Amino acid sequence: DGGITQSPKYLFRKEGQNVTLSCEQNLNHDAMYWYRQDPGQGLRLIYYSQIVNDFQKGDIAEGYSVSREKKESFPLTVTSAQKNPTAYYLCASSPDRLSTYGYTFGSGTRLTVV
Amino acid sequence: GDSVTQMEGPVTLSEEAFLTINCTYTATGYPSLFWYVQYPGEGLQLLLKATKADDKGSNKGFEATYRKETTSFHLEKGSVQVSDSAVYFCALRRETSGSRLTFGEGTQLTVNP
Repeated sequence: DGGITQSPKYLFRKEGQNVTLSCEQNLNHDAMYWYRQDPGQGLRLIYYSQIVNDFQKGDIAEGYSVSREKKESFPLTVTSAQKNPTAYYLCASSPDRLSTYGYTFGSGTRLTVV
Repeated sequence: GDSVTQMEGPVTLSEEAFLTINCTYTATGYPSLFWYVQYPGEGLQLLLKATKADDKGSNKGFEATYRKETTSFHLEKGSVQVSDSAVYFCALRRETSGSRLTFGEGTQLTVNP
């Protein structure tokens, strides 16, 4: 079955360390997105990519970095510059040119800084 | 810019009660409208959508009608179940290519037996 796979489901990081969250899709979607969700809050867009080797900052990009070397993969690195990284991270994808489609989401990675 | 406003939560209902979660939007043109559901500890799942005015999206007993005159897309269900307890997000996506989904803040629904 096609879908989005995020790994790991839970991740613990020490302060000052960078950590990379994986996101892989086999839906042949052009666009991919990273969101952050804090308890009791909505979704905030970190980065998005509409095509391989290109990506744009979202609303809260500071302290994060991404790459899009392959259509299927859009990893997110949470750097030590991110002041409050503990959160639930969601990856999504969509067939970008069709606005009538929504996004397909992965099951998320819960990052905790210890 | 585009925006989505949802009724404030949390909402608590008894099983078999009628559910309405209000959603209004601001956007230019003719956006597509969506409802997503997030069960505890999981990602978001598409619940239903409508892509043009007067369309009704429906799924699992939930319904929402695209009302352009009132810029609304309210979610309804006639008889909720405990298993419907989740967070519900309203969202829009403009028709222009490459447009992003704009989400509301989410509404927490708890259904008690």
